[in-house]
Amino acid sequence: NAGVMQNPRHLVRRRGQEARLRCSPMKGHSHVYWYRQLPEEGLKFMVYLQKENIIDESGMPKERFSAEFPKEGPSILRIQQVVRGDSAAYFCASSPGTRDYNEQFFGPGTRLTVL
Amino acid sequence: KNEVEQSPQNLTAQEGEFITINCSYSVGISALHWLQQHPGGGIVSLFMLSSGKKKHGRLIATINIQEKHSSLHITASHPRDSAVYICAALYNTDKLIFGTGTRLQVFP
Repeated sequence: NAGVMQNPRHLVRRRGQEARLRCSPMKGHSHVYWYRQLPEEGLKFMVYLQKENIIDESGMPKERFSAEFPKEGPSILRIQQVVRGDSAAYFCASSPGTRDYNEQFFGPGTRLTVL
Repeated sequence: KNEVEQSPQNLTAQEGEFITINCSYSVGISALHWLQQHPGGGIVSLFMLSSGKKKHGRLIATINIQEKHSSLHITASHPRDSAVYICAALYNTDKLIFGTGTRLQVFP
């Protein structure tokens, strides 16, 4: 049973380009969470999704950032027109989403560098 | 406001020492995670607990609901335990609120 997978592991973009980060949850997990870790800072919640639904996006910047978790395929975090301040590690976590057991398991992260 | 506070921020120890990292949180959590982040950056979930105590190898996590406090203990510490340890509270909204982390260095 593979763990949470994220790709790419490292992504370099120039200012103004788009970044697409992918997250495949663990098998059987229907809940996905995205977190961001800015350099020398702690982890911060961005968005919580279930299949085809955004449940909580209170941590997402109001502009340029979007997330989806389609019926088929991985969850995508999309950053349009990237700026240097978007450089960070982006972690995805998944959970089974059941009432009795909702532990989150983390992927290896995508390190985004904006030049 | 949902907050998580960790102490100490930095911790150094000699190999073999007993380590304790503390975490306090505000009311209303449904569970607490302890996570480990190695210098390479990957995050490993060590424990999720909502009451009592859990043990895995040399790691022990406890939580006191009344005092809103959790501790992570490492017995017989080893240089490979060097990492950042993060506590994260799971509130009813299902999103994790993270502490600032404790950077542990264990010297041989």
